[in-house]
Amino acid sequence: EVQLVESGGGLVQPGGSLRLSCSASGFRFSSYWMSWVRQAPGKGLEWVADMSQDGIRKYYVDSVRGRFTISRDNAKESVDLQMSSLKADDTAVYYCAREGETGTLDHWGQGILVTVSS
Amino acid sequence: DIQLTQSPSFLSASVGDRVTITCRASQGISNSLAWFQQKPGRAPNLLIYRASTLQSGVPSRFSGSASGTEFTLTISSLQPEDFVTYYCLQFNNYPYTFGRGTKLEIK
Repeated sequence: EVQLVESGGGLVQPGGSLRLSCSASGFRFSSYWMSWVRQAPGKGLEWVADMSQDGIRKYYVDSVRGRFTISRDNAKESVDLQMSSLKADDTAVYYCAREGETGTLDHWGQGILVTVSS
Repeated sequence: DIQLTQSPSFLSASVGDRVTITCRASQGISNSLAWFQQKPGRAPNLLIYRASTLQSGVPSRFSGSASGTEFTLTISSLQPEDFVTYYCLQFNNYPYTFGRGTKLEIK
């Protein structure tokens, strides 16, 4: 069974940093692109970033480029999102998701809340 | 960026009704469109990918179609558990973009 479990969320002050981690199991992690998607409270979904299987190709939404960094460790079967210069607008539930053979996000974690507030 | 115009934002219907939700892309995206269902407090769940392919385990009352840059999700006979929120997603171009969502409400 595919499982994705996010960790590392919490409360952080504006301008601060936080690192999210997503631990994967139940599939060959090194064969899949991985994404992060977020959802502000009461709002819709926003794709944030993704990374290729080998970690070489990375793509970001404009609103986070230069502040967020996606990375992965295939040996540990995990994908991280390093977030810096955080703003109130970054407050959201962050989901990691697998980009499957369907070409899209076929499995999602349960999500982790990040709150940026003083 | 590719914009997805999803309509309607809210849809009121009854159990047993047939409903359609539409996403219109601002430019061609081939068939690189997916539909997700999201229940309150839960992660989204993939329903349809490549515009019209039903994800494994999803009930057959859900279907998707495409015509040019217009994509539709149809639920043929609404069940009580279907009254939640639906999103479309294009994955043809970066950044991937979602529609703004459709909340399905019981009439």
